[in-house]
Amino acid sequence: QKEVEQDPGPLSVPEGAIVSLNCTYSNSAFQYFMWYRQYSRKGPELLMYTYSSGNKEDGRFTAQVDKSSKYISLFIRDSQPSDSATYLCAMSPAAGGFKTIFGAGTRLFVKA
Amino acid sequence: GAGVSQTPSNKVTEKGKYVELRCDPISGHTALYWYRQSLGQGPEFLIYFQGTGAADDSGLPNDRFFAVRPEGSVSTLKIQRTERGDSAVYLCASSLTSGEKLFFGSGTQLSVL
Repeated sequence: QKEVEQDPGPLSVPEGAIVSLNCTYSNSAFQYFMWYRQYSRKGPELLMYTYSSGNKEDGRFTAQVDKSSKYISLFIRDSQPSDSATYLCAMSPAAGGFKTIFGAGTRLFVKA
Repeated sequence: GAGVSQTPSNKVTEKGKYVELRCDPISGHTALYWYRQSLGQGPEFLIYFQGTGAADDSGLPNDRFFAVRPEGSVSTLKIQRTERGDSAVYLCASSLTSGEKLFFGSGTQLSVL
């Protein structure tokens, strides 16, 4: 079993929809939780960075962490075609990149 | 530079050959990481540098892989006796310190024929 599980999709939604992306994990030592966006032939770009449980909002993006359930989510409101990309969840037991573990990524398509 | 730069962007080599992949981190970033990403997978950790020294190389798959960062800035990932299974995108990331967020380059697509 992988430490981080993420549904690879693809997920296809119409423009303006609310998108929900999720990951589960098994290592209770994870304290830092991240979401990255990756466009084709590009490196991952950090979207959200949270510590421990709770919610964090940044514009159209909201990240949720439920450590008791070992479950994290990313919500995208008013989705746009430019949001079409692969979304990677990532987590680490320590601050920064010490052996950050990534999910496999979910491919998202937002149709105009 | 403005971002993490990786060269070459694409590298095609034959099985058994030696390759070097270069990473130029964001100026002033002391921490540097190498990851490998296979098709349809998330990045997998290879090695982490803090300054010139490798602080954690536990992700290197075997002794054919080696990385250096002699002056604490540019890093080179070296792969000896390449195998077809080494084909992947090799990503480099840097951060201001080891406790900061990662900034990734666009990667080097390595194809071993």
